[in-house]
Amino acid sequence: EDQVTQSPEALRLQEGESSSLNCSYTVSGLRGLFWYRQDPGKGPEFLFTLYSAGEEKEKERLKATLTKKESFLHITAPKPEDSATYLCAAVQGGYQKVTFGTGTKLQVIP
Amino acid sequence: DADVTQTPRNRITKTGKRIMLECSQTKGHDRMYWYRQDPGLGLRLIYYSFDVKDINKGEISDGYSVSRQAQAKFSLSLESAIPNQTALYFCATSDGDVGRYEQYFGPGTRLTVT
Repeated sequence: EDQVTQSPEALRLQEGESSSLNCSYTVSGLRGLFWYRQDPGKGPEFLFTLYSAGEEKEKERLKATLTKKESFLHITAPKPEDSATYLCAAVQGGYQKVTFGTGTKLQVIP
Repeated sequence: DADVTQTPRNRITKTGKRIMLECSQTKGHDRMYWYRQDPGLGLRLIYYSFDVKDINKGEISDGYSVSRQAQAKFSLSLESAIPNQTALYFCATSDGDVGRYEQYFGPGTRLTVT
């Protein structure tokens, strides 16, 4: 069974304190690994797609990386506006099924 | 204006009532999806549609039905609502294969069944 597990469930950081969020997946024949950001009362918003192990993508203070078993979302010098829930999702090759993790709720304190 | 809109945003209904949630998009995408989000369970796919004539069940379709009225409109119905259908419902679109293209989500409908 496809599974996506995110850790930690919640993370509280001081502004400027860098950290990483983890997404472990067991999806055979990974077609794509996605990261989304979800703010309270809103739908998820796309951040990154990763396709193969070793791939990295960056956007402002965020960098996503992918290995054969997990993905990391690194947050460098976070700001309060980075506070949100970050969702990871994996797609198996040949199917239109997206398996979402339950998310990491990030709070950045000024 | 938002690319993917959902109505209503909040709804409280009673057990046994029929309810329809509506989704409209201006992105011009053929593919549309309905998900529900529950605490501790993540987003789960209810139904998806590749075009007006192509509708498919997702992993949790029991108790739900859908209608694709046009390329831009995709509705989700609960024929006889039950309390465990209380959840946050999201509509999404994509420009192609979800393994290669990101999904664009609406703002969600918070549904409470009493």
